[in-house]
Amino acid sequence: SYELTQSPSVSVSPGQAARITCSADILPKQYTYWYQQKSGQAPLLVIYKDSQRPSGIPERFSGSRSGTTVTLTISGVQAEDEADYYCQSADSSGTHVVFGGGTKLTVL
Amino acid sequence: QVQLRESGPGLVKPSETLSLTCSVSGGSLSSYYWSWIRQSPAKGLEWIGYIHYSGNTNYNPSLKSRVTISVDTSKNVFSLNLIDVTAADTATYFCARVAEDTWSLYFDAWGQGTLVTVPS
Repeated sequence: SYELTQSPSVSVSPGQAARITCSADILPKQYTYWYQQKSGQAPLLVIYKDSQRPSGIPERFSGSRSGTTVTLTISGVQAEDEADYYCQSADSSGTHVVFGGGTKLTVL
Repeated sequence: QVQLRESGPGLVKPSETLSLTCSVSGGSLSSYYWSWIRQSPAKGLEWIGYIHYSGNTNYNPSLKSRVTISVDTSKNVFSLNLIDVTAADTATYFCARVAEDTWSLYFDAWGQGTLVTVPS
């Protein structure tokens, strides 16, 4: 198995951009997905296939990839964006799911 | 819009079997894969396994020896059995739908989660 590595926390002021990264050697061969989880709630998909945004997710959420690192960017962060964010991918077979450890986004 | 809801005991004794059911409403089980995922402070989000409505399964290798996921299309539910539990299995258990997207494996609908405690 392999691991997805996320920084434990990110803090930004309202209106600034938040960048949350996820890295692992396997990433170049598999898509990455991002979930937002607010306290006491289930995770919510905010980015799929590295950079696609599901219907209903605000445009300020975007995803990108560079080498073995994928990044979730929240432009113009709002107080309601404070949450834990998890990346997710699959192993080399594409059949086993792996989650990152999560990043806590604090809006100052 | 599809909705998922987990149900089952909130307390399971050590060495016993954890059994949960996920009821799916607003859509059919057909044509999708369905998954169980758990979350604990120690391990974060951990994928347990998934099942196709036809019955094909795939499990997390770290749990494979103890896990069974089954589906009942007539009742529109799928279930999780985890045998020989210990305190390390204490977690919030989520059921989720695997998105219908070729060459992709991710979750586009989740249940609210249910906390299962295994006392030490």
